Amino acid sequence: GENVEQHPSTLSVQEGDSAVIKCTYSDSASNYFPWYKQELGKRPQLIIDIRSNVGEKKDQRIAVTLNKTAKHFSLHITETQPEDSAVYFCAATLTGANSKLTFGKGITLSVRP
Amino acid sequence: DGGITQSPKYLFRKEGQNVTLSCEQNLNHDAMYWYRQDPGQGLRLIYYSQIVNDFQKGDIAEGYSVSREKKESFPLTVTSAQKNPTAFYLCASSTPRTGGGSIYGYTFGSGTRLTVV
Repeated sequence: GENVEQHPSTLSVQEGDSAVIKCTYSDSASNYFPWYKQELGKRPQLIIDIRSNVGEKKDQRIAVTLNKTAKHFSLHITETQPEDSAVYFCAATLTGANSKLTFGKGITLSVRP
Repeated sequence: DGGITQSPKYLFRKEGQNVTLSCEQNLNHDAMYWYRQDPGQGLRLIYYSQIVNDFQKGDIAEGYSVSREKKESFPLTVTSAQKNPTAFYLCASSTPRTGGGSIYGYTFGSGTRLTVV
């Protein structure tokens, strides 16, 4: 089955700096890679996703890049703000009738004011 | 909340008791999932269901049971066989799609925090 890893487990940045969170996956057949943000005590929410036929996707201050050869994908947050502080989860799956997301363990991002 | 409702928000279980967590969605989604969240462990899949009257075990199904009698509902029972049930439980739903273009991601419920007392 799929195995998704995130490193490191915590990341601290100064407000206004950029943050990059990287994930690796094991199953080369996986073709869908979403990122979720979970604020303290709340549900995870989808913030951006990418499919394997695309190398990069951007939405305002966030972007995701995918390297299929190396089997890793990264979340980039520019001009970080205190409200970006949260736990971020990456996930991977092969889309289809019986698919299910496999999540990484999450990374806690702290943005220092 | 966002079309998928979990209840109760907090639940306390005594040793040896079975408890059932509720998950209801009005999004007309075909697929539903149960995940368990522990600190530092991420989200681990317990059970999932792609259609009514059918479900599959996830990575940590032991000590849990589910049913899917209606499209809208996917209750999770934590049985006495689950030796370490204290955790945050998240239910999610999605509409499985093939092909590209559409967002495929899950919609999560607000979770149930289960504690053994």
